Amino acid sequence: TQLLEQSPQFLSIQEGENLTVYCNSSSVFSSLQWYRQEPGEGPVLLVTVVTGGEVKKLKRLTFQFGDARKDSSLHITAAQPGDTGLYLCAAARGSNYKLTFGKGTLLTVNP
Amino acid sequence: KAGVTQTPRYLIKTRGQQVTLSCSPISGHRSVSWYQQTPGQGLQFLFEYFSETQRNKGNFPGRFSGRQFSNSRSEMNVSTLELGDSALYLCASSSPYEQYFGPGTRLTVT
Repeated sequence: TQLLEQSPQFLSIQEGENLTVYCNSSSVFSSLQWYRQEPGEGPVLLVTVVTGGEVKKLKRLTFQFGDARKDSSLHITAAQPGDTGLYLCAAARGSNYKLTFGKGTLLTVNP
Repeated sequence: KAGVTQTPRYLIKTRGQQVTLSCSPISGHRSVSWYQQTPGQGLQFLFEYFSETQRNKGNFPGRFSGRQFSNSRSEMNVSTLELGDSALYLCASSSPYEQYFGPGTRLTVT
């Protein structure tokens, strides 16, 4: 059973466009993390959200944790080719040492 | 602060062989987790070690095992390799709130 559903699975956009990717579950999580992964490399942590309704901003990236702590979204404003990569959400129940990952959204930003 | 290191980065083995992968966590981190990443299944949790003890385990067969040393370095071993074991194996070094991943070991089983 896939506990975390990410959508869309693939996204190809032009430089300068905005986009939102989603991470949904029927389970409640204690925290949720977003990662970006480039080919042949390990995932790089972007943000951790813990509190329901929490919003965090990282330059052009805005992360939101749902009020019920079951879902999250990542919004990118004015996407750039350097944003290209696989975006993964990962969630923890209780301990943060065992993460459940979504299958990711593969984003391509074309110049 | 040095990041997570994994060795080797690439490995080619044949079916039936065994393999050992190594991970050195961030200095001061006592928890090391291992994940398998494949195109079809995505990232799947293998196990987690904390202070030399396996604390969490995923749903993988007993051919997958690991250990952690007193300096927090960790190894994972896969015995009797199968073609389906071809994957990127990722190690994560954890603080209580976040996990930091190494670059991975790309294992190809032929």
